[in-house]
Amino acid sequence: DADVTQTPRNRITKTGKRIMLECSQTKGHDRMYWYRQDPGLGLRLIYYSFDVKDINKGEISDGYSVSRQAQAKFSLSLESAIPNQTALYFCATSDFRGPGETQYFGPGTRLLVL
Amino acid sequence: AQSVTQLDSHVSVSEGTPVLLRCNYSSSYSPSLFWYVQHPNKGLQLLLKYTSAATLVKGINGFEAEFKKSETSFHLTKPSAHMSDAAEYFCVVSEPGTGGFKTIFGAGTRLFVKA
Repeated sequence: DADVTQTPRNRITKTGKRIMLECSQTKGHDRMYWYRQDPGLGLRLIYYSFDVKDINKGEISDGYSVSRQAQAKFSLSLESAIPNQTALYFCATSDFRGPGETQYFGPGTRLLVL
Repeated sequence: AQSVTQLDSHVSVSEGTPVLLRCNYSSSYSPSLFWYVQHPNKGLQLLLKYTSAATLVKGINGFEAEFKKSETSFHLTKPSAHMSDAAEYFCVVSEPGTGGFKTIFGAGTRLFVKA
């Protein structure tokens, strides 16, 4: 079984709808991240969480919210989806050990907002 | 401020020829540097990382990268490309920041391998 899973893998929604993307991990890591990937822009950080009680905004958090329900689960919500939120979304985890922190990525969720 | 620049958005090589994917960075500290690979419809996977030990870093699948501080570069190489190397590659820099380390991804380089 994959260590980091994301559901759904693909989603089509309409402008104004609220949607939730879910991420689960079995790696036992404290740190979890949500990124979006757009062509030519690499990955940009939306939100991150260092533990269940710690949530932080990334560089592009506007229009998004998150919930860390447990160490293993980190959900991303789009309260009112808009077309420019069409992107590939990745969840990642890490076990912070100082320099060289490696992140482990889920397979991604492809979101299309019409 | 940290930044990372991947100098080529696309690289095309023939199978069996060398691969060079270029990455330059800027950092106020001694950064950690990574290369990740993304195959189609997959998440990112770590290829290799540099964390202030040996400047020549060997990774998986025959890839390696050399940290050159004087040139602020961390180019990824492989002596002989294989068809399975076709993917997108991301150079990543990480340096100390608020609450831990701040990580910045390059825009990516898509590698095409011709038969």
